[in-house]
Amino acid sequence: GAVVSQHPSWVICKSGTSVKIECRSLDFQATTMFWYRQFPKQSLMLMATSNEGSKATYEQGVEKDKFLINHASLTLSTLTVTSAHPEDSSFYICSASGQFNEQFFGPGTRLTVL
Amino acid sequence: AQSVTQLGSHVSVSEGALVLLRCNYSSSVPPYLFWYVQYPNQGLQLLLKYTSAATLVKGINGFEAEFKKSETSFHLTKPSAHMSDAAEYFCAVWGYGQNFVFGPGTRLSVLP
Repeated sequence: GAVVSQHPSWVICKSGTSVKIECRSLDFQATTMFWYRQFPKQSLMLMATSNEGSKATYEQGVEKDKFLINHASLTLSTLTVTSAHPEDSSFYICSASGQFNEQFFGPGTRLTVL
Repeated sequence: AQSVTQLGSHVSVSEGALVLLRCNYSSSVPPYLFWYVQYPNQGLQLLLKYTSAATLVKGINGFEAEFKKSETSFHLTKPSAHMSDAAEYFCAVWGYGQNFVFGPGTRLSVLP
């Protein structure tokens, strides 16, 4: 099946710094990538949808200036958490959608902001 | 619009007993339905999916689910629970032109 990777898998940073998370589709071209956020013991919440070469579409309540998404190629999307604060600590999961619109999920990135 | 409900945030079964995790959905378009499992600090692993073919879907690790349109349900079952089945399970719905929507999740505990 299709494989999606995320890097890094764990990241710890100081408050006020920025963190970049990469999401790659390894064996297929992803026209659309999705970013989700999962707080402990909760379900996944869609943050934004990104299409290659265009601006991301953010869900209501998600700050686009804080969570910068770049989808520069058909195999790579990045999420940058700018000026991270402890409340941004969460599990971030990306998914990639291929030609049949099915989503394939990455393994997730655990972000801890001190 | 689509939504998913999972009855029971926590289900406990004895090892060897039947596992039944409930999922009900609503969708304005023909749905694709999914069950995912998540182990602590890990991503999602697809257990099985319904994509408008057979209504009884068999997945990995002995799980299966039946799509019942009249009941708008897609319950997940496994005849005999194993200790390694203890995890969080998410039901999800997707329809063409819609977002992927996850249910709140059900934590499965397997007692020895």
